[in-house]
Amino acid sequence: DAKTTQPTSMDCAEGRAANLPCNHSTISGNEYVYWYRQIHSQGPQYIIHGLKNNETNEMASLIITEDRKSSTLILPHATLRDTAVYYCIVRGGGTDKLIFGTGTRLQVFP
Amino acid sequence: DTAVSQTPKYLVTQMGNDKSIKCEQNLGHDTMYWYKQDSKKFLKIMFSYNNKELIINETVPNRFSPKSPDKAHLNLHINSLELGDSAVYFCASSPSPSTSGTQHFGDGTRLSIL
Repeated sequence: DAKTTQPTSMDCAEGRAANLPCNHSTISGNEYVYWYRQIHSQGPQYIIHGLKNNETNEMASLIITEDRKSSTLILPHATLRDTAVYYCIVRGGGTDKLIFGTGTRLQVFP
Repeated sequence: DTAVSQTPKYLVTQMGNDKSIKCEQNLGHDTMYWYKQDSKKFLKIMFSYNNKELIINETVPNRFSPKSPDKAHLNLHINSLELGDSAVYFCASSPSPSTSGTQHFGDGTRLSIL
């Protein structure tokens, strides 16, 4: 079972920041938070991951709370092409599997 | 260049038939995966191979048989297809089992059983 809770859907205006929350209150000390997205009719795409520090790459920023029980994925300037289902996944180290939940359907509107 | 490619993209066939889906990755990764995404959009892992050896085998009917001729290829053969096998099947790869958090996915094979 997925170890995360995400809102079912969210809307965001084009050009604005999209902030996608994720609750992972049972996360263990060695578990990472991963974010993927799935654009319609495509395979999932890795976005970013982190353990406890905030992370940023060319796609997004990941903010993890100090207690690590929740995180937020930030798309700083959402575009229509960011419309997708976003998955927050908690995964331990080693060879742990990726377990996808139901994700958040983000709709970016003009 | 497509990193993870699957063929065919669409597959429509009759119940009871046997079919195969092919997957190739040109990323030089050692580990490959098969996932199934059903009509409710749940994405679940089925199998994983590392350097041609099976390392993950979820509770999947034995009608499904993966085969990895080399570490760049992971094929999925399905015998005696059933209506419930209709789904999108995704192939993915990662550098190693320990880096399975960062996987590259193909665009899926949409299997429809008539």
